[in-house]
Amino acid sequence: RKEVEQDPGPFNVPEGATVAFNCTYSNSASQSFFWYRQDCRKEPKLLMSVYSSGNEDGRFTAQLNRASQYISLLIRDSKLSDSATYLCVVSGGMEYGNKLVFGAGTILRVKS
Amino acid sequence: DVKVTQSSRYLVKRTGEKVFLECVQDMDHENMFWYRQDPGLGLRLIYFSYDVKMKEKGDIPEGYSVSREKKERFSLILESASTNQTSMYLCASSPRGALFWAEAFFGQGTRLTVV
Repeated sequence: RKEVEQDPGPFNVPEGATVAFNCTYSNSASQSFFWYRQDCRKEPKLLMSVYSSGNEDGRFTAQLNRASQYISLLIRDSKLSDSATYLCVVSGGMEYGNKLVFGAGTILRVKS
Repeated sequence: DVKVTQSSRYLVKRTGEKVFLECVQDMDHENMFWYRQDPGLGLRLIYFSYDVKMKEKGDIPEGYSVSREKKERFSLILESASTNQTSMYLCASSPRGALFWAEAFFGQGTRLTVV
């Protein structure tokens, strides 16, 4: 079983749509959670950290459910520029060497 | 602005060659990482380092070694390149300070083809 699993997609949505991505992780000792964004042929960049209480950044909302070991990302009012691969990332913290474990990514395509 | 620079964007090497991939960061980060990225598999950790001359194996270290002689530089070495090492290689760095919430900054990647 992969440590971090994501639906690879692609998710094809029209502009203005709301879309949600899910991610599950296997290591119950994981401490930190992130969503990264990777544009085609570019390096991954941090989109947002995911806090236990859930957090929002503009059109983006991230949720964490530790009991179910589940992370989500909600994008409202999708823009063409949101088209990218979204990577779910989990870290075990100091005890596990602070390694970042990446999911394989979910492809989002926003169409006009 | 954090900058992580990888020495090459594209490389073509022959099977059996020794290959060096160089990575330099300019933000005095303690942590540095080497990942490879393959379609459907995501980013997989090869090696990482928390300090000068320190290295730890990641999930797929076989066929690779690393060197960190200076804080800002982390080199990945393919001892004898093979075709299954054809991949995108990504270097990253992060500060040690806020460990649980440390953002990793990536280089632009090196696409290595072994023929």
